[in-house]
Amino acid sequence: AQSVTQPDIHITVSEGASLELRCNYSYGATPYLFWYVQSPGQGLQLLLKYFSGDTLVQGIKGFEAEFKRSQSSFNLRKPSVHWSDAAEYFCAEGSYIPTFGRGTSLIVHP
Amino acid sequence: DAGVIQSPRHEVTEMGQEVTLRCKPISGHDYLFWYRQTMMRGLELLIYFNNNVPIDDSGMPEDRFSAKMPNASFSTLKIQPSEPRDSAVYFCASSLGGLKNTEAFFGQGTRLTVV
Repeated sequence: AQSVTQPDIHITVSEGASLELRCNYSYGATPYLFWYVQSPGQGLQLLLKYFSGDTLVQGIKGFEAEFKRSQSSFNLRKPSVHWSDAAEYFCAEGSYIPTFGRGTSLIVHP
Repeated sequence: DAGVIQSPRHEVTEMGQEVTLRCKPISGHDYLFWYRQTMMRGLELLIYFNNNVPIDDSGMPEDRFSAKMPNASFSTLKIQPSEPRDSAVYFCASSLGGLKNTEAFFGQGTRLTVV
């Protein structure tokens, strides 16, 4: 069965600094991968998705993610973090039904 | 489309009472999912439906939980009797399903507190 691992429970960055959130998946075939963001008191919103093709995908709010098959990873990046990016971030694999990681809480310091 | 709509947004109930959570998926979506989110266990899939038929309910914690989808535009998750450990945020999500259409669209959730 597929699984998704987000190794970092919390990540703290300063506003303006770059960000990378890690995600590793376990799936034999080509995975369908997603990153979602959850603001406090809200549902999950899709940031970006990867199905095939270019391994670097662009999403909303200035986020991007890179699919690396050799490392079974799909890390989320942003070059300059804004205070409004503070939220919970979920990586998911969805070739069949969505399976979510435990999430990474992003804290942004001014 | 207004997106996935859940009601109520908040529910506070006493232990032993019946609780019913409601969900209206996005029109045209064939898959509907119920998730539970807690600090301890993260986001857990409870059950999902395809074309109104329950496909996998292995995530339902126990017999006190039941879910129905009487038609394509409505689903309920019922807890009877409720217990304090059921306190969580319950999310409904829907997707088109099929190849490259597995992106899940989430409702805003129902925050359930059982006292």
